[in-house]
Amino acid sequence: QQQVRQSSQSLTVWEGETAILNCSYENSAFDYFPWYQQFPGEGPALLIAIRSVSDKKEDGRFTIFFNKREKNLSLHIKDSQPGDSATYFCAASASSGSWQLIFGSGTQLTVMP
Amino acid sequence: EAGVTQSPRYAVLQEGQAVSFWCDPISGHDTLYWYQQPRDQGPQLLVYFRDEAVIDNSQLPSDRFSAVRPKGTNSTLKIQSAKQGDTATYLCASSPNRGAGNTLYFGEGSRLIVV
Repeated sequence: QQQVRQSSQSLTVWEGETAILNCSYENSAFDYFPWYQQFPGEGPALLIAIRSVSDKKEDGRFTIFFNKREKNLSLHIKDSQPGDSATYFCAASASSGSWQLIFGSGTQLTVMP
Repeated sequence: EAGVTQSPRYAVLQEGQAVSFWCDPISGHDTLYWYQQPRDQGPQLLVYFRDEAVIDNSQLPSDRFSAVRPKGTNSTLKIQSAKQGDTATYLCASSPNRGAGNTLYFGEGSRLIVV
């Protein structure tokens, strides 16, 4: 059973467009949702994160929109650049009980120049 | 500040052989994690330590996988009698402490191919 699901395995956008990556989750106890970015040959690195008490988190060109009722969230990358081409992992964890960070299967983003 | 260091970066084994992966976490980080990342999938937790103590190894295939962190700093993940299904990248990560909301800092990974 996939607790964190990313609907698209891959996404291609043109430079300057807004890329939208979607994620959904099953466990209502999840209250922390980071997005990690991974380039080929490297480990994942934290990009941006949101807690369930918020419905939006913005950091520069990156914004997370969170819908607790629908158990889904999305990462918006505004003014996409070729350097944003990477795999993006949605993850989730719960403050209570097992805090373990559960990763989705990832969305490979390609930004065409 | 040095990041998480892993070695070797690559290993190619025949089925039945053994391999050890080594990890040096960020100085001062008391929590260390080992993740398995199959190709085109997300990382999956195998085991994690706080200092030298194993906190959770429930997802470690205990019959062939073992992990230690004897002095609460460096860690070794060992796979005995490797199988083709073990082909994956093994990622080590560290964080200042455990719990939800902590940032995990990952190493570059050790890529294992079992033929």
